[in-house]
Amino acid sequence: GAGVSQSPSNKVTEKGKDVELRCDPISGHTALYWYRQRLGQGLEFLIYFQGNSAPDKSGLPSDRFSAERTGESVSTLTIQRTQQEDSAVYLCASSLGWGRVTLDTQYFGPGTRLTVL
Amino acid sequence: GDSVTQMEGPVTLSEEAFLTINCTYTATGYPSLFWYVQYPGEGLQLLLKATKADDKGSNKGFEATYRKETTSFHLEKGSVQVSDSAVYFCALLAGGTSYGKLTFGQGTILTVHP
Repeated sequence: GAGVSQSPSNKVTEKGKDVELRCDPISGHTALYWYRQRLGQGLEFLIYFQGNSAPDKSGLPSDRFSAERTGESVSTLTIQRTQQEDSAVYLCASSLGWGRVTLDTQYFGPGTRLTVL
Repeated sequence: GDSVTQMEGPVTLSEEAFLTINCTYTATGYPSLFWYVQYPGEGLQLLLKATKADDKGSNKGFEATYRKETTSFHLEKGSVQVSDSAVYFCALLAGGTSYGKLTFGQGTILTVHP
């Protein structure tokens, strides 16, 4: 079956512009996560959705970052007034979202590589 | 806060060599530990996990043992193949959490030559 998909795969933008990154989770997955990976660093948690609510937004770096999710489907991560330090690979993951958390495998998309010039 | 430290890469090995990638962690409580792998052009995928001390996770010939006394979860494989070339990430899930907020190490690039 289809895995997690993300678009675009690559995005180059100018400093100060807004960007939208899209994630299509696996059908039926209620939990959705966004992570960021800056060059040479591990993945940083950004935000978690259960359904269309976001119980944990603690990882969003600043108020320029926002995310929304439509039901148990597509999620969009928006970065306003992009800065060069926003350059990174943005990864989305989805999981069933119920049961023991250690049994709830996260399936990752291929990521969007964002470059801010 | 919680953190994961992996040995720095890149690691370059010949086929059939023994692999160890070190991973140590800092966490409050009793975390669960994971190894994820990212093959070229693909998304991250779960390789193995261990949810309590002394557990051994294994998959595809890879193994890692949850060592609470040394706060470690080193990844090992007895004989690597070219197809194992990938980036490997160690991660933890904090104890007591109700959802999968993972804390990752920085990743180790493995290249295996024929």
